[in-house]
Amino acid sequence: ESVLTQSPATLSLSPGERATLSCRASQSVNTYLAWYQQKPGQAPRLLIYAASNRAAGIPARFSGSGSGTDFTLTISSLEPEDFALYYCQQRSNWPPITFGQGTRLEIK
Amino acid sequence: QVQLVQSGAEMKKPGASVKVSCKTSYYTFTSYGLSWVRQAPGQGLEWMGWISAYNGDTNYAQKFQGRVTMTTDTSTDTVYMELRSLRSDDTAVYFCARDRAKFCSSPSCSEGFDYWGQGTLVTVSS
Repeated sequence: ESVLTQSPATLSLSPGERATLSCRASQSVNTYLAWYQQKPGQAPRLLIYAASNRAAGIPARFSGSGSGTDFTLTISSLEPEDFALYYCQQRSNWPPITFGQGTRLEIK
Repeated sequence: QVQLVQSGAEMKKPGASVKVSCKTSYYTFTSYGLSWVRQAPGQGLEWMGWISAYNGDTNYAQKFQGRVTMTTDTSTDTVYMELRSLRSDDTAVYFCARDRAKFCSSPSCSEGFDYWGQGTLVTVSS
């Protein structure tokens, strides 16, 4: 089973700042990695698939990079609505499909 | 706009079973697989398994093998997830989620989940 470790657990930033979230896999997942945003009481929303492709309707300030075991989600300039939980997910080494434990992005 | 609408909250006793439905609309049901993902209170996301809406093929996480059954009804474009022998640690919000990629024959091609149901809270308590 591929374990995904996200860091930091919590990231405190201000609107307008750049956010960098990390996801590290215990074994290579090639580029079979996705990122999700989740707000309280809501279902997750797909942001990035195949490591670097923005999903439909996702603003350009969200970008993903990486391959193998190290991945990054970058939000170039934080908007108030970006403060939420973020999860990475892999589908390379399955079953099972696995998720990271999440990074909470909070307002500083 | 694609929609996945799940059945309402359930309260069950330990040892019972629960069956959650996920009615889909506004897309070709048989072209996409669907997964079930659960989230315990205050916890992260856990993938339970996947079903092909094309032919009903399933892949379950080993953790749930023998306790979970996923089925489809192509006459109503609905997916079902039944979980048996419920325990208190099965208390969670259960989500259905659609593959982003079409015509997947397994979860290995899913490229993420682009549409999600609203979630169904299942509470297991004596």
